Amino acid sequence: GEDVEQSLFLSVREGDSSVINCTYTDSSSTYLYWYKQEPGAGLQLLTYIFSNMDMKQDQRLTVLLNKKDKHLSLRIADTQTGDSAIYFCAENPGGYNKLIFGAGTRLAVHP
Amino acid sequence: NAGVTQTPKFQVLKTGQSMTLQCAQDMNHEYMSWYRQDPGMGLRLIHYSVGAGITDQGEVPNGYNVSRSTTEDFPLRLLSAAPSQTSVYFCASSPGQNSNQPQHFGDGTRLSIL
Repeated sequence: GEDVEQSLFLSVREGDSSVINCTYTDSSSTYLYWYKQEPGAGLQLLTYIFSNMDMKQDQRLTVLLNKKDKHLSLRIADTQTGDSAIYFCAENPGGYNKLIFGAGTRLAVHP
Repeated sequence: NAGVTQTPKFQVLKTGQSMTLQCAQDMNHEYMSWYRQDPGMGLRLIHYSVGAGITDQGEVPNGYNVSRSTTEDFPLRLLSAAPSQTSVYFCASSPGQNSNQPQHFGDGTRLSIL
């Protein structure tokens, strides 16, 4: 079946790196996504990676994909208080836009 | 360019009432969808549309209707509201249904059913 698993909470010190992990189940997914949700707001697309890639870097963000293990991670370098939010991992079974989301990881950044 | 606009932002209903959640996008996107977000769960797909005049069911369609008479608008109707429909509703759009065109989300409608 289709399922996306994430740890629910992560706490890091300001300036450290954050790593948010995700596992998915559907090998037919062609893209994996990371969305960010700030309190009271909608979902903001952070980045996404094609399933044939194993890494994508975009400024402070690094996405690693292990397709064999169906494991996705998001690394945020030099984490700032503005990075405090809920981060959602999502897959697209069958390659279409009917996304399956994880429950979200709440990232708390403390001084 | 407003992106995806949802109205209202907040709504309280009584059980049995009906209402329509509005969603509009000004990006000429063909693909639009509705999700609901419940505590401790990821977003779940309610209905989606690949273009004007075409709609289909997602994972949790019961209790909801949609229509797509124009490219810009994709309203979600609750026919007879139930407390289980208390949730945050998000509308999203993308240029097409292919996965290399990520979806853009609205800010959500927070709905409470008493």
